[in-house]
Amino acid sequence: KAGVTQTPRYLIKTRGQQVTLSCSPISGHRSVSWYQQTPGQGLQFLFEYFSETQRNKGNFPGRFSGRQFSNSRSEMNVSTLELGDSALYLCASSLRVLLLNEQFFGPGTRLTVL
Amino acid sequence: ELKVEQNPLFLSMQEGKNYTIYCNYSTTSDRLYWYRQDPGKSLESLFVLLSNGAVKQEGRLMASLDTKARLSTLHITAAVHDLSATYFCAVDKNYGQNFVFGPGTRLSVLP
Repeated sequence: KAGVTQTPRYLIKTRGQQVTLSCSPISGHRSVSWYQQTPGQGLQFLFEYFSETQRNKGNFPGRFSGRQFSNSRSEMNVSTLELGDSALYLCASSLRVLLLNEQFFGPGTRLTVL
Repeated sequence: ELKVEQNPLFLSMQEGKNYTIYCNYSTTSDRLYWYRQDPGKSLESLFVLLSNGAVKQEGRLMASLDTKARLSTLHITAAVHDLSATYFCAVDKNYGQNFVFGPGTRLSVLP
């Protein structure tokens, strides 16, 4: 069974630009969550999508947005990039069954903002 | 607000020794997960603990959960260099709507 895939793996952007990251979950998983990982703040939850609906959102500004398609693939968009947005962005998929929400992580997209 | 703490944050130990990493969380939850992350890599799922008293073991690692104490432990037995990594615990918030991760424990096993 293929794992979670993320594209691109690396990105370099400049301040003010926008970026779109993509995530394909494990087949059969309908929940996709996004996390930002930085040395200073650790792993922070961005948002979760389930069946094309955003179910929960972390404490990030509106510049961070996402969506999920009918095939469960998800995209995350960051507009008006700031230097502080440089991070590893991780996507995780889950079956999201009530008693089990084990999340399986993709390899991540490393975003550098110059 | 759910807070998850880990200690120690940094751990340097010699091969062959035993040690325990602690994960404390602030609100009631009976779902706790342990992950491993190697430098520059993604997170690998290690253990899923779904009830009070749950104990899971894999090789030299053993994890347990005490929901009354809001505490999980990850015990390392006879450490080997290959266990060097950062270990995260994560707690379910609102029954699966999102995880809250601890800050991670960076483990270095010295030969």
